[in-house]
Amino acid sequence: AQKITQTQPGMFVQEKEAVTLDCTYDTSDQSYGLFWYKQPSSGEMIFLIYQGSYDEQNATEGRYSLNFQKARKSANLVISASQLGDSAMYFCAMREGTSGSARQLTFGSGTQLTVLP
Amino acid sequence: KAGVTQTPRYLIKTRGQQVTLSCSPISGHRSVSWYQQTPGQGLQFLFEYFSETQRNKGNFPGRFSGRQFSNSRSEMNVSTLELGDSALYLCASSLVGGRANEQFFGPGTRLTVL
Repeated sequence: AQKITQTQPGMFVQEKEAVTLDCTYDTSDQSYGLFWYKQPSSGEMIFLIYQGSYDEQNATEGRYSLNFQKARKSANLVISASQLGDSAMYFCAMREGTSGSARQLTFGSGTQLTVLP
Repeated sequence: KAGVTQTPRYLIKTRGQQVTLSCSPISGHRSVSWYQQTPGQGLQFLFEYFSETQRNKGNFPGRFSGRQFSNSRSEMNVSTLELGDSALYLCASSLVGGRANEQFFGPGTRLTVL
C-alpha cells in the first residue's frame, strides 16, 4: 500500500484565491512527521511546512497552513491568497519515527498547481 | 547561512561509465540523505549518512553507493551506468534529534545517461 497518497495530479486556482492540496498517509508508527515541499520547474525542493504527529495545533507558516486530521490520516496543505509564483509541483512527505532515529522521507506523487491570473 | 550545495549541476555520461556526485550540507548539519527523482518512479530514497556511517538504505542495487566525510560532505557514486539511471539526484541535509525536523534540499544534479 502507498504510504503517501496525493490524489490530485493537477490543480488550478485563481490568483488571490485559497487552495487546498490533499494528502493522506498510512503508518503504524505513533511518532512521525509530515512535510510539504514545493518544487518549481528549476528542480530545487523548497521546504514549506512541518507537522509532528504529537503536535496538537495545526502548523502554519505565513500563507501556508497544514490541516492535520490525525484520525483520518490526512495532512492537507492550504495556501491562502495564491500568487503567480506559487505555480509549482507540491509534494507531501512523511518521516516515520523521530528525527533522532531516522531522517528518511517517503514522498507522494505530487500535485502540479497552476495559479491563473 | 549558505544552503545545501550540489556539484555538478548537470552531467552527461554514457552507459557503462561511472559517476560521482557531491553534496555539501548546511553548516552544522550532520545528516545527509540522497534521493533519486524520475518521471516514472517519482522521488525515491537512496541512502542516508550520519557521522560518516550509512544509517539507512533504500531499495537500489549495489551500483549505487555513497560515503560521508568528517566535515559532513557526502558523495554518491553510481557505477556501470544504465539508461534508467537518468534522473535528478537530490541531497538533503538536516540536524539530528531534539526538535530538528526540517530537511533542506540542494538544487540537485541532473544526470543524463546516453
